[in-house]
Amino acid sequence: QKEVEQNSGPLSVPEGAIASLNCTYSDRGSQSFFWYRQYSGKSPELIMSIYSNGDKEDGRFTAQLNKASQYVSLLIRDSQPSDSATYLCAVNSETSGSRLTFGEGTQLTVNP
Amino acid sequence: ETGVTQSPTHLIKTRGQQVTLRCSSQSGHNTVSWYQQALGQGPQFIFQYYREEENGRGNFPPRFSGLQFPNYSSELNVNALELDDSALYLCASSLAVNYNEQFFGPGTRLTVL
Repeated sequence: QKEVEQNSGPLSVPEGAIASLNCTYSDRGSQSFFWYRQYSGKSPELIMSIYSNGDKEDGRFTAQLNKASQYVSLLIRDSQPSDSATYLCAVNSETSGSRLTFGEGTQLTVNP
Repeated sequence: ETGVTQSPTHLIKTRGQQVTLRCSSQSGHNTVSWYQQALGQGPQFIFQYYREEENGRGNFPPRFSGLQFPNYSSELNVNALELDDSALYLCASSLAVNYNEQFFGPGTRLTVL
């Protein structure tokens, strides 16, 4: 079992729709959760961090965390073509020090 | 505020050679982590530096080594390059060693022929 798994892509949504990206993790001691956006040929950009159960909203982005289910998700409302990118889920646990463990990413395409 | 910078942008080496990649952390950040990202994969943790010492290491062989300098900048050295070392090498800085938000530089694309 991979430490961090993301829903396999690619994911394609029409402009204006809600894009839903999912991530599960295996380490129950995980405490910090991050979503990065990576455009093709570029480096990852931090877009959301979440530390406690529930929802965290930032503009069109909502991160949801459920530690009991070991599940974290990212919702993108009113998706725009500029949201087309690979989204990486990253997890940190106390046992792993300060390292981030990444999933393989989900490629999102928003069609005009 | 200056972001994370890395040099060079691209590099082509041949198998067996050695390479040094450089990173300057974001202003005010004292912790630097290095990651390797192969094509189509998520970044893999190589190691982290804090106070000029290695503070955690991933599953990479000893030919991957690093340094951190008093100004918090860092180097990644790879000896005896192998074809599989071809990847995007990412440096990330964070405000402190126990502060987990990490901000990435633009990366160095290494090609080993």
